[in-house]
Amino acid sequence: GENVEQHPSTLSVQEGDSAVIKCTYSDSASNYFPWYKQELGKRPQLIIDIRSNVGEKKDQRIAVTLNKTAKHFSLHITETQPEDSAVYFCAAQKGRQFYFGTGTSLTVIP
Amino acid sequence: DAGITQSPRHKVTETGTPVTLRCHQTENHRYMYWYRQDPGHGLRLIHYSYGVKDTDKGEVSDGYSVSRSKTEDFLLTLESATSSQTSVYFCAIRRELDGETQYFGPGTRLLVL
Repeated sequence: GENVEQHPSTLSVQEGDSAVIKCTYSDSASNYFPWYKQELGKRPQLIIDIRSNVGEKKDQRIAVTLNKTAKHFSLHITETQPEDSAVYFCAAQKGRQFYFGTGTSLTVIP
Repeated sequence: DAGITQSPRHKVTETGTPVTLRCHQTENHRYMYWYRQDPGHGLRLIHYSYGVKDTDKGEVSDGYSVSRSKTEDFLLTLESATSSQTSVYFCAIRRELDGETQYFGPGTRLLVL
């Protein structure tokens, strides 16, 4: 299969600061890496993704970086706002399956 | 929302009873997935389907079966529910036109007493 590890499990930042969440994967055959945001009681929502042939992708305040050699990818949120508070999941796709990290609970303190 | 609905949204049942959860999609996607979500474990794949009557197991398939007799519906069955199957169940589709992107349904909260 594939083993995806995510750190940290909880993260608190002051409003306006940056937040970084890191994930590692084990199988070099994984080739697609989405990130999801899940608010309490809601479904996971895709916020950004990256494919294995790209090193970095940015969408406004959110960016994802991928290091294929080291098998790790990271989510960067700049200028955090209270509405960024949620649980964030990374995932890796290998073949037909997706493998998820265990989540990071982000709290943005006003 | 990628046209995904799940039913029921909430269910309470007793140990030993059969339970069927339904996932319905309106966009004709080939791939459909069932996950369970538990605190500390993230999302874990139960079963998935890559076409009508084509299904395969995920990492936590024991105690679950699935069926897909038509493109739009993917059913998850707990043959004899146990308390360890208390969880939130999410269905997902894979939108191949977007590459590999997965989109999730609203979830079903299942409590097995």
